[in-house]
Amino acid sequence: KNEVEQSPQNLTAQEGEFITINCSYSVGISALHWLQQHPGGGIVSLFMLSSGKKKHGRLIATINIQEKHSSLHITASHPRDSAVYICAVRRGAQKLVFGQGTRLTINP
Amino acid sequence: DSGVTQTPKHLITATGQRVTLRCSPRSGDLSVYWYQQSLDQGLQFLIQYYNGEERAKGNILERFSAQQFPDLHSELNLSSLELGDSALYFCASSDGTGGHYGYTFGSGTRLTVV
Repeated sequence: KNEVEQSPQNLTAQEGEFITINCSYSVGISALHWLQQHPGGGIVSLFMLSSGKKKHGRLIATINIQEKHSSLHITASHPRDSAVYICAVRRGAQKLVFGQGTRLTINP
Repeated sequence: DSGVTQTPKHLITATGQRVTLRCSPRSGDLSVYWYQQSLDQGLQFLIQYYNGEERAKGNILERFSAQQFPDLHSELNLSSLELGDSALYFCASSDGTGGHYGYTFGSGTRLTVV
């Protein structure tokens, strides 16, 4: 079993829909990161969380440390949000352990 | 431009060869991390350097090595290349204080071994 599990693996939605991507982890962590990878391959760091909730534009990330669970929400989704979203947990000082990613496709 | 520069962007080489991937971290960042992304394994941590010293090691093969130079740029050396080494190799940097302000990723080097 992977230390970091994401669901769903693939998600297709219509423009404007509210999107939720889930991440569960089984180990103690010092922080959790949400990353976005576009078809060109580049990776962008979206959020780093150690507790609570963060918001940036239409993106919201939450984490529940007790339940070892995090969610990434996208409001008013747009085709440009189409990408692979990756959850990663930081164990110890620096090492990141990654989920397998969620491929999101937003159709116009 | 994320501030992390990786070169080259693409590399095609033959089995058995050796290549060097280069990474310049974002200005002010002391830590450099190398990751491998393959189709079957996803993203995996290879190695981390902090201010010139190796700080953490992940799933890095013995055929692979890395170093960080005094100007903080880093190089990842891959030798005796095999077909299975074909992957995207990412470099990321952070301020070194436990990645407190997050990580900045480079655009990656796509390595194809033929």
